[in-house]
Amino acid sequence: GNSVTQMEGPVTLSEEAFLTINCTYTATGYPSLFWYVQYPGEGLQLLLKATKADDKGSNKGFEATYRKETTSFHLEKGSVQVSDSAVYFCALRESGGSNYKLTFGKGTLLTVNP
Amino acid sequence: EAQVTQNPRYLITVTGKKLTVTCSQNMNHEYMSWYRQDPGLGLRQIYYSMNVEVTDKGDVPEGYKVSRKEKRNFPLILESPSPNQTSLYFCASKTGTRDTQYFGPGTRLTVL
Repeated sequence: GNSVTQMEGPVTLSEEAFLTINCTYTATGYPSLFWYVQYPGEGLQLLLKATKADDKGSNKGFEATYRKETTSFHLEKGSVQVSDSAVYFCALRESGGSNYKLTFGKGTLLTVNP
Repeated sequence: EAQVTQNPRYLITVTGKKLTVTCSQNMNHEYMSWYRQDPGLGLRQIYYSMNVEVTDKGDVPEGYKVSRKEKRNFPLILESPSPNQTSLYFCASKTGTRDTQYFGPGTRLTVL
């Protein structure tokens, strides 16, 4: 079945540091890939997505590139802020089918210190 | 404002006492879904609905029921809750034409 593996947290960085959160996936076909962010006490919000190989999703300074050859979708940001502190989830949705189910990784807690 | 709402946000109950968690969306979305979030496991899908009166099981449906009598509402029913259903529950919705799913704020359920 489908699965998503993302780097274990927690990750603690200083403000303006470079962020990478690794994500790899296993899926049949050509899934769509997503990064969701969960701020404390809130629901999940879509951060960015990519729907085919070599697509780059970007939003709020975050980027991730859909790499089919390495089955990866790593999240990066050049300079993190305290306000980026949250839990980040990598997810996929398999192509085709009638269920738009998202398969999530376990989440990575990011804490950014001033 | 486009949103998915859930009620209650927090609930503490006892084993065997039936409860319902409501979910409502104001975006006229066809697709709705329930997930549970547990530490170290991420989010897992419980049930989903493609449209009114169309529901199906997700990955962890045991102990849960759902109904979809109206397009905007998708309640999650626990007929006889047990402690292993203590979790954080999220409702989500999307329209059929776009890939973005919108999540509610979550319901933290504790079953004693």
